[in-house]
Amino acid sequence: AQSVTQLDSQVPVFEEAPVELRCNYSSSVSVYLFWYVQYPNQGLQLLLKYLSGSTLVESINGFEAEFNKSQTSFHLRKPSVHISDTAEYFCAVSESSSNTGKLIFGQGTTLQVKP
Amino acid sequence: EAGVAQSPRYKIIEKRQSVAFWCNPISGHATLYWYQQILGQGPKLLIQFQNNGVVDDSQLPKDRFSAERLKGVDSTLKIQPAKLEDSAVYLCASSQQRLAGRTDTQYFGPGTRLTVL
Repeated sequence: AQSVTQLDSQVPVFEEAPVELRCNYSSSVSVYLFWYVQYPNQGLQLLLKYLSGSTLVESINGFEAEFNKSQTSFHLRKPSVHISDTAEYFCAVSESSSNTGKLIFGQGTTLQVKP
Repeated sequence: EAGVAQSPRYKIIEKRQSVAFWCNPISGHATLYWYQQILGQGPKLLIQFQNNGVVDDSQLPKDRFSAERLKGVDSTLKIQPAKLEDSAVYLCASSQQRLAGRTDTQYFGPGTRLTVL
């Protein structure tokens, strides 16, 4: 069975500062990895995903995450955050050999960007 | 393209009452998911449909929860009777995922926030 741990429940940061949201997973099989973002009063949206190939994946709004198999991590980073990045971020995994695409989510990290 | 629609957005009931949630997935999406998101936790899959068949309902409390997806399009999730611990946001998601696909993006609706008093 897979599990996901997001190490920080809240991350306060000032605007234009860099940020890292940490995610570690546990699995006995190979996995796909995802980051979802949930803006206030909205549904979850896919931010980026790692399926295979390059271990560094990027989103269209400046976020990136790196798959580290040896450390079983998939940390999310942004070099300079904006007020509009304030949201809840969820890391998720799915078993790569599964036919269902079932996602296992972490408990979420609230990113609070201050002016 | 219209997104995943859910209704109602908010619902307040008393314990032991019944409640139903409705979800309309993105047109053409074969797979539909219902998740439960308790405050302070990540979403947890309750049930997954592939067209109108159940793929995974291992975490659905079947003594009180039921779900159906007639005609492989809309879906309803029902709780009867509700308990205090059912207070949560219920999220519906859909994906194009066909039988052998497992990497399709899941698109989420805005959710229904249920409060059980």
